[in-house]
Amino acid sequence: GAVVSQHPSWVICKSGTSVKIECRSLDFQATTMFWYRQFPKQSLMLMATSNEGSKATYEQGVEKDKFLINHASLTLSTLTVTSAHPEDSSFYICSGQGSNTGELFFGEGSRLTVL
Amino acid sequence: AQKITQTQPGMFVQEKEAVTLDCTYDTSDQSYGLFWYKQPSSGEMIFLIYQGSYDEQNATEGRYSLNFQKARKSANLVISASQLGDSAMYFCAMREKQTGANNLFFGTGTRLTVIP
Repeated sequence: GAVVSQHPSWVICKSGTSVKIECRSLDFQATTMFWYRQFPKQSLMLMATSNEGSKATYEQGVEKDKFLINHASLTLSTLTVTSAHPEDSSFYICSGQGSNTGELFFGEGSRLTVL
Repeated sequence: AQKITQTQPGMFVQEKEAVTLDCTYDTSDQSYGLFWYKQPSSGEMIFLIYQGSYDEQNATEGRYSLNFQKARKSANLVISASQLGDSAMYFCAMREKQTGANNLFFGTGTRLTVIP
């Protein structure tokens, strides 16, 4: 299957700092990327949908000014958690959708801990 | 309303036995897709099996099979000959095609523990 690489896998930061998570499709062009958030022992909740070259569409309750999503190319989308606080600590997972089949491929996830 | 319901927070199965993980869904779309993913402790989401709403036969992938009962809106995952490496969280998910959204709606997951 296609590969989506997510980086970093783990990040620990101080409260008030910003953290950027990258999601790259390595062997296909992801016209659409989805960002999910997963709290411990809970399911994946969709945060936003980003299409290459356009603004992301955020789900209800997700602060777009706090979770900045950029999808500047067909192989890279980034999620920046701005002014992170301890309640932002979570597991963030991206998935890319290929233009041909529409199948979703998930990244390995990024575990954010805000101290 | 929940689009995907997984009623079993945790399941135990003896090694080499079969186990069924339940999943029911709610949609008014005629065209939709159902997925099962495995999430080990490392966190990655591993695709297991897919069933399209118009597929007449139940999907099978190796030791995984999907018991699709459209009238009951259920899509249970059957894992045969369980192995210790099958211990993980399992998520059922659905994609509704008519709404135009391509994202997946996930259930709350079932934690499977395989006992040696």
